Amino acid sequence: NAGVTQTPKFQVLKTGQSMTLQCAQDMNHEYMSWYRQDPGMGLRLIHYSVGAGITDQGEVPNGYNVSRSTTEDFPLRLLSAAPSQTSVYFCASSQDRGDQPQHFGDGTRLSIL
Amino acid sequence: GNSVTQMEGPVTLSEEAFLTINCTYTATGYPSLFWYVQYPGEGLQLLLKATKADDKGSNKGFEATYRKETTSFHLEKGSVQVSDSAVYFCALSSGNTGKLIFGQGTTLQVKP
Repeated sequence: NAGVTQTPKFQVLKTGQSMTLQCAQDMNHEYMSWYRQDPGMGLRLIHYSVGAGITDQGEVPNGYNVSRSTTEDFPLRLLSAAPSQTSVYFCASSQDRGDQPQHFGDGTRLSIL
Repeated sequence: GNSVTQMEGPVTLSEEAFLTINCTYTATGYPSLFWYVQYPGEGLQLLLKATKADDKGSNKGFEATYRKETTSFHLEKGSVQVSDSAVYFCALSSGNTGKLIFGQGTTLQVKP
């Protein structure tokens, strides 16, 4: 049982490049989300999904796109990377009730030059 | 809107010392409250949770009680170990969407 798997673990991009951060879970969880972690700011929600075909914006959605074509996968796309998007990105999944804990991936450390 | 405030770190303790990390929240309704721990180079792991007022969550010697009257969820441990060195996050979830709102995190360093 792999849990939540994120790829890649590290990535360096140049300003203006695009890329997709991958996230997959094998727990049949309905709810998936993306957070970014920045020093002194905790984790902030970028986008989330309550099921296949349904996505919504979180606290800091600008510059990021998501889609949810299957229950298992929830990729995060940066269309035109900016230095302000340098961060550590975490994907998480859970059952779709608010009292259920979220399961986190190990993160992707992204640097934009 | 909903928010979580944690005491600023870093917190440095000697092994076997008593630990308290303060957490207060602002929320409408009745949120669920969580403590997550992040060890170096890893993702977050659930440490404990409480889903209603006066509930006490506990795990691995850590405890936190959901206090609605003071809107607090302070994390405590009676005797810390070097292996407890990590970053601790307080978080709340309201409604059924599962969205989490995190505090800024508190770094704990335990010295032998």
